[in-house]
Amino acid sequence: AQSVTQPDIHITVSEGASLELRCNYSYGATPYLFWYVQSPGQGLQLLLKYFSGDTLVQGIKGFEAEFKRSQSSFNLRKPSVHWSDAAEYFCAVGAYTGNQFYFGTGTSLTVIP
Amino acid sequence: DAGVIQSPRHEVTEMGQEVTLRCKPISGHNSLFWYRQTMMRGLELLIYFNNNVPIDDSGMPEDRFSAKMPNASFSTLKIQPSEPRDSAVYFCASSSILTSGSYNEQFFGPGTRLTVL
Repeated sequence: AQSVTQPDIHITVSEGASLELRCNYSYGATPYLFWYVQSPGQGLQLLLKYFSGDTLVQGIKGFEAEFKRSQSSFNLRKPSVHWSDAAEYFCAVGAYTGNQFYFGTGTSLTVIP
Repeated sequence: DAGVIQSPRHEVTEMGQEVTLRCKPISGHNSLFWYRQTMMRGLELLIYFNNNVPIDDSGMPEDRFSAKMPNASFSTLKIQPSEPRDSAVYFCASSSILTSGSYNEQFFGPGTRLTVL
């Protein structure tokens, strides 16, 4: 069955520290992969997406993600976290063909001074 | 483009009342999704439409919920009668279908925060 797993429910990092949010997917075909961010009281905003090509994808706000097929992962990274990055982060996978789109349960990020 | 537009942004109603949430997708998008977000259950897909046709409504919690998309620029999600457990944030999202048949990224509206007393 198709699924997306975000193993970390909540992460706390210090401002200026590096960040990695994990995402694992289970899908039998080539996936499309997405990361979204949701600030408090806001809707979801797309950070980046991977469809094909270079497995290291650059997104907005200084985020990047790397697709690793062998590990079925699409982890999100940022070298230096800012206090404004505190939010909920969702990983999502879409089917290469067909009408499926799945969201993970989200990772809540807290940034401490 | 103004993005996905949802109205109202906040709705407070009493148990038993009918609630109608509205969504205007991004022009040119041919898929529309309704989600519900709660602390307990996270983000849940309720129903989605392709070219105004409902494709999968298996996420609709019960018969009190119904959704329509009469044209490409408008959709409604109705709850009748409403119950306190329906209190949540309801998001609408739109997307375009790629030539492969898959979806491009979804663009989310700001959500409607529903409180049923």
